[in-house]
Amino acid sequence: SQELEQSPQSLIVQEGKNLTINCTSSKTLYGLYWYKQKYGEGLIFLMMLQKGGEEKSHEKITAKLDEKKQQSSLHITASQPSHAGIYLCGAAPNSGYSTLTFGKGTMLLVSP
Amino acid sequence: DTGVSQNPRHKITKRGQNVTFRCDPISEHNRLYWYRQTLGQGPEFLTYFQNEAQLEKSRLLSDRFSAERPKGSFSTLEIQRTEQGDSAMYLCASSQTGGNYGYTFGSGTRLTVV
Repeated sequence: SQELEQSPQSLIVQEGKNLTINCTSSKTLYGLYWYKQKYGEGLIFLMMLQKGGEEKSHEKITAKLDEKKQQSSLHITASQPSHAGIYLCGAAPNSGYSTLTFGKGTMLLVSP
Repeated sequence: DTGVSQNPRHKITKRGQNVTFRCDPISEHNRLYWYRQTLGQGPEFLTYFQNEAQLEKSRLLSDRFSAERPKGSFSTLEIQRTEQGDSAMYLCASSQTGGNYGYTFGSGTRLTVV
């Protein structure tokens, strides 16, 4: 079965600093999803990356997919308190995009 | 469309009781998924439906768990004879066929078994 390892497990950054979260898969990545979760709430969709070495950006968040390394990275520029939360990566196990396997998440705290 | 709706938001039950959760997906989504999430972990897949057909069930889904999606619209997840280990957040998601359009998650139902 596919496993996703996220690093770091937690992160505290000062407001205004940049940060990167990584997600490494044990198997081929067909689709890679990034979600954000506030404690005790549901998942908010951020971005989806497909095969082909995609890179996407939305506001101050950029996500990249490196197929050869079976890895994705999420980069936040000039972090703000609103960026705080748990970031989860999820991967589709096959090209049929049925179910998702998730990593354990990276908890981000942004200090003023 | 108000997104994926889950009810109740919170449920506290005594061990051994049965509980049922409901999920209303986005109306045009034909796929519906149930996941379970415990503290400090990512969501774990339980089962999914395409229209009214249950296409896949995880080995995590013991025989005390049953899910239905009558008429391919809303879905219910029932847990019989609850155990303390069932305490978790139960998340529902929906998508169009293929999933590469994105999965939309609900706010979840937090179950506490005492």
